[in-house]
Amino acid sequence: SQQGEEDPQALSIQEGENATMNCSYKTSINNLQWYRQNSGRGLVHLILIRSNEREKHSGRLRVTLDTSKKSSSLLITASRAADTASYFCAPIYNQGGKLIFGQGTELSVKP
Amino acid sequence: GAGVSQSPSNKVTEKGKDVELRCDPISGHTALYWYRQRLGQGLEFLIYFQGNSAPDKSGLPSDRFSAERTGESVSTLTIQRTQQEDSAVYLCASSPGLGFEQYFGPGTRLTVT
Repeated sequence: SQQGEEDPQALSIQEGENATMNCSYKTSINNLQWYRQNSGRGLVHLILIRSNEREKHSGRLRVTLDTSKKSSSLLITASRAADTASYFCAPIYNQGGKLIFGQGTELSVKP
Repeated sequence: GAGVSQSPSNKVTEKGKDVELRCDPISGHTALYWYRQRLGQGLEFLIYFQGNSAPDKSGLPSDRFSAERTGESVSTLTIQRTQQEDSAVYLCASSPGLGFEQYFGPGTRLTVT
């Protein structure tokens, strides 16, 4: 399968806590992207990490990539209620960049 | 400039009718993608355009579905003889190029009655 597999399927935390979600994939990638989807803001690109990068930061987000293990993680620090959403990883292969999502991680941040 | 826009935002149509959905990508983005998301389900790739290259139509579910793009601007997705299983949110995304990050529009919610 070309899709990424997110883990856990669901995560519930308190505001201010950190949230970590993981992604595994099957074959060599060009890059890996993380997206968020909620009813209020639709589907939004969060961060892209290239295959030759190991870590990338964007605001409260930190993404790591381990190509030897074919895995990535997304860390959200100091979570807020507004971070409540489904999070998807998309491994990008050399096939036009089309996104193939798995089931995602459903994050609930309680105030 | 502005983000990706789609119209209409909602469309209710009777089974058997044709519908046309429109996507205005971000200016300068050479790649444009169409996806479908049925209620409670994941994202389903339909088609992408990249510059003047032949589009990748591998995700179109049947010959009732077609899409066009004029240069690097507007795209339209046409569904002929709509069926109830076509009911979904149709999402358009544009990107600076293939494999780059994608910027999504708000979607068109299609309901076939």
